[in-house]
Amino acid sequence: GGIITQTPKFLIGQEGQKLTLKCQQNFNHDTMYWYRQDSGKGLRLIYYSITENDLQKGDLSEGYDASREKKSSFSLTVTSAQKNEMAVFLCASSIETSAETLYFGSGTRLTVL
Amino acid sequence: AQKVTQTQTSISVMEKTTVTMDCVYETQDSSYFLFWYKQTASGEIVFLIRQDSYKKENATVGHYSLNFQKPKSSIGLIITATQIEDSAVYFCAMRDGVGDNSKLIWGLGTSLVVNP
Repeated sequence: GGIITQTPKFLIGQEGQKLTLKCQQNFNHDTMYWYRQDSGKGLRLIYYSITENDLQKGDLSEGYDASREKKSSFSLTVTSAQKNEMAVFLCASSIETSAETLYFGSGTRLTVL
Repeated sequence: AQKVTQTQTSISVMEKTTVTMDCVYETQDSSYFLFWYKQTASGEIVFLIRQDSYKKENATVGHYSLNFQKPKSSIGLIITATQIEDSAVYFCAMRDGVGDNSKLIWGLGTSLVVNP
């Protein structure tokens, strides 16, 4: 078995601040994802990466950057935090993008003051 | 356009009963994959069960099973002998497309409360 670790669990930032969320997986999975979950809503894809140094935009990529410098890690940067950005950010990984199931981290809850 | 719809926002049942959660999907592809995930109160999301569109037999894993009705584009999740710990939000998801172009489309979730 493996695990996905997201840090930090809670992130508090100021409006306009640049904030970085980190994700590590030891499944040796090729594909990693960043999702945003707003209260009472489903998951929206921000970025995904099919291999090291690859980046693919999801439906919600505006206002975010991502980085996949190693196969095991995938970071997400909120370029300028906004008050309406308070949400849980979920990292996930899968063997590859087609039929495989996703394994999720426990999330980073972002609060913008 | 691809779409996944879960019409039930929340369901409340008594322990040890059977519950069915509905999910309908839209896709143009002839081959696709359907998934159910569970999100617990702690926020953890775990994979439960999957149905491949080309398989006629309904998938079953433990006390989870699926009711796959392909002509109706429907994939219901059935939980038998529900337990308190089944209380969670259940997400239906569909993956269609090929390889790296495939997309995973999520429903908005159904909240299940299992009462003692």
